[in-house]
Amino acid sequence: KNEVEQSPQNLTAQEGEFITINCSYSVGISALHWLQQHPGGGIVSLFMLSSGKKKHGRLIATINIQEKHSSLHITASHPRDSAVYICAVSFGYDMRFGAGTRLTVKP
Amino acid sequence: DAGITQSPRHKVTETGTPVTLRCHQTENHRYMYWYRQDPGHGLRLIHYSYGVKDTDKGEVSDGYSVSRSKTEDFLLTLESATSSQTSVYFCAISETDSVQETQYFGPGTRLLVL
Repeated sequence: KNEVEQSPQNLTAQEGEFITINCSYSVGISALHWLQQHPGGGIVSLFMLSSGKKKHGRLIATINIQEKHSSLHITASHPRDSAVYICAVSFGYDMRFGAGTRLTVKP
Repeated sequence: DAGITQSPRHKVTETGTPVTLRCHQTENHRYMYWYRQDPGHGLRLIHYSYGVKDTDKGEVSDGYSVSRSKTEDFLLTLESATSSQTSVYFCAISETDSVQETQYFGPGTRLLVL
């Protein structure tokens, strides 16, 4: 069983919809990361958080350490948000990644 | 964008041949990482380095070796490539460890072992 589980695996939304991607983990962590992988393959870090909530533009990330759960929300989704979103947990040098959620936003 | 390049970007090789992938950074970051990405598995750590000549194994290190003789370069070698090593390989860097700071990823290398 993977230490990091994401749901859903695939998500299709209409432009403007509110989107939520979930991440659950089974190990003790020091920080949790959300990454975005573009259709061309490049990987960009969106957030790193160890508690509470962070917001950047239309993206919001939350984490509940006690429940070992994090969510990534996208408000007012847009076709350019179409990408694979990856959750990862870190402890020391090591990072463990979820398999990713493929998001497609249709106009 | 962090200054990270990977070479080659694409490579096709035959089973049993040695392959070396290069990661080059211009950020002078201390930590460098090699990952592989396979469908259904997500990214998995192969090896990492926490300084020149200081390296350690990751989750899937069997069949791979690394070297870091300069801060800016981290080499990944497949001594004798196998078809199971067909994958997309990503290099990443960070100034501090992944608890304190995010990692910055290179563009990736697609490797096909026939």
